[in-house]
Amino acid sequence: GAGVSQSPSNKVTEKGKDVELRCDPISGHTALYWYRQSLGQGLEFLIYFQGNSAPDKSGLPSDRFSAERTGGSVSTLTIQRTQQEDSAVYLCASSLNFRAIEDSPLHFGNGTRLTVT
Amino acid sequence: QQPVQSPQAVILREGEDAVINCSSSKALYSVHWYRQKHGEAPVFLMILLKGGEQKGHEKISASFNEKKQQSSLYLTASQLSYSGTYFCGTEDSGTYKYIFGTGTRLKVLA
Repeated sequence: GAGVSQSPSNKVTEKGKDVELRCDPISGHTALYWYRQSLGQGLEFLIYFQGNSAPDKSGLPSDRFSAERTGGSVSTLTIQRTQQEDSAVYLCASSLNFRAIEDSPLHFGNGTRLTVT
Repeated sequence: QQPVQSPQAVILREGEDAVINCSSSKALYSVHWYRQKHGEAPVFLMILLKGGEQKGHEKISASFNEKKQQSSLYLTASQLSYSGTYFCGTEDSGTYKYIFGTGTRLKVLA
């Protein structure tokens, strides 16, 4: 079946504008994750969903960031009033089960490269 | 708290072996290992389960140290295709967040 799909693959926006990033997980995967990766850096945890619920939003960098998931499937990450420091690759991943660490590894999409000018 | 990986970077010749470590301040429940090639998404390599069982890759293996606060990834007879950045993934103790280590850049030369 299809893998994790993210759109757009690239997004250039002006400082102060809002952006929406979309993630379509593997069908049947109950857990969905968002990470941010700045150039040459590691994977910064943002938020995860178990079904449509996000139990912990403390990883979101500021209140300009929000995320939702509907129908246990598609998720959107919204960044309001973008700043230059938001420039990064935003990666989405899904796993079959909650508690991925119990033999349910993450499958990643190809990411959205966000550039804020 | 983010696991710390060592070394930060390593360069090998084809056919050489390498060890990458993933260290945590608390005992690791179990560990996944991923490889990310430049410009691509991370790809799952293998899992090291809490009881020491491994699943995933023929030429790559892993282990825990005695206190299970460190996992080591063993790359045997490295190939050019092994080049990339390796990340350990695990669950943040008590929060269920899935977090990654700091990463190790590996380059294999012909």
